[in-house]
Amino acid sequence: DGGITQSPKYLFRKEGQNVTLSCEQNLNHDAMYWYRQDPGQGLRLIYYSQIVNDFQKGDIAEGYSVSREKKESFPLTVTSAQKNPTAFYLCASSSGGTLGNQPQHFGDGTRLSIL
Amino acid sequence: QKEVEQDPGPLSVPEGAIVSLNCTYSNSAFQYFMWYRQYSRKGPELLMYTYSSGNKEDGRFTAQVDKSSKYISLFIRDSQPSDSATYLCAMGGDYKLSFGAGTTVTVRA
Repeated sequence: DGGITQSPKYLFRKEGQNVTLSCEQNLNHDAMYWYRQDPGQGLRLIYYSQIVNDFQKGDIAEGYSVSREKKESFPLTVTSAQKNPTAFYLCASSSGGTLGNQPQHFGDGTRLSIL
Repeated sequence: QKEVEQDPGPLSVPEGAIVSLNCTYSNSAFQYFMWYRQYSRKGPELLMYTYSSGNKEDGRFTAQVDKSSKYISLFIRDSQPSDSATYLCAMGGDYKLSFGAGTTVTVRA
């Protein structure tokens, strides 16, 4: 079954700690995305990548970092510089095109909380 | 003003009712329109994708786009308890995809 796998489902971060969220897709999609979802707000774009070894900042990239070494994988690191990291993080992919003209397919998210 | 405004809800309807969900937008560059369904503690699932004004039907779901009024709607006919979820609208131009905040729907058996 093709899809997007995010792990872990739940993650707890201590003060001053960096944590990494995993995202793997087997849809053979070129483009991958990371979003943050907070109650009462629309999804906000953190980073996106349209091709291996290249990625762009989204609207709220401060305090986050990514890498795209393989087509299938797009991990997100939440650094200690992100002062309000508690949120539901969603990874998505699409078959290419430009940022807004292809439907995106989502994983089931990682819920990050502060200890 | 947000680029995408979605009726906040929540909505509670009896089983079998028609559910009507709405979004408005301000960016004329948006040409692609999507509706997603999100169950609790899950990721959004694509329901409908369209890029033209008018209606698009898929089973019990109908998406309606009015570009002149910058208004989109999703109708769910013969609603079922399994339709209870949060529905997100999304709108895209060539370089941007923007999401509404979501409307939570409960269908009562």
